[in-house]
Amino acid sequence: DAGITQSPRYKITETGRQVTLMCHQTWSHSYMFWYRQDLGHGLRLIYYSAAADITDKGEVPDGYVVSRSKTENFPLTLESATRSQTSVYFCASATGELPQHFGDGTRLSIL
Amino acid sequence: AQSVTQPDIHITVSEGASLELRCNYSYGATPYLFWYVQSPGQGLQLLLKYFSGDTLVQGIKGFEAEFKRSQSSFNLRKPSVHWSDAAEYFCAVLIQSGNTPLVFGKGTRLSVIA
Repeated sequence: DAGITQSPRYKITETGRQVTLMCHQTWSHSYMFWYRQDLGHGLRLIYYSAAADITDKGEVPDGYVVSRSKTENFPLTLESATRSQTSVYFCASATGELPQHFGDGTRLSIL
Repeated sequence: AQSVTQPDIHITVSEGASLELRCNYSYGATPYLFWYVQSPGQGLQLLLKYFSGDTLVQGIKGFEAEFKRSQSSFNLRKPSVHWSDAAEYFCAVLIQSGNTPLVFGKGTRLSVIA
């Protein structure tokens, strides 16, 4: 079925480690997004991408790296994880004027 | 600064009672407006959207929202709440077409009591 898939759903890691969250969509949407959700902050945009090989910073990009070599994939990497990056991460995709479609989220805990 | 405000962090209503969740935005132009719902442990689901035209829009699950330009508001309503409506609700705006990133409010948590 067409959709947007995030993996893993849950991840526990230690400070200083590198961790990559995966996002895959089957609609061939041009736009993809990464948000983090924290209590009291709602959803905040980390990075987004308008097309393959085009990425832009969002509201809270520090400590994160993204790439978009293929339209369908948009991985998010924490190069050296910190406790403040413990959060729930949501990937989304969109095209034209359609609203964004969200994945089910990755719950990341950094010890 | 551009912003989306949901004034109510948490609302509790009785099952069968009516519901109104508030959303205000501060942008110069009329944005595209959305309401999303998030059930515990799940991603966001679009309830309804407003792009233009009729200011009263109908969504899924019996929800509706009314855009009021004079008040810069897009409040979500439901005439009779069901226990399954307990969730977190997010208002969001797109300030122009072409899918510039959504800006979200901080959410309103809805609890439903018997």
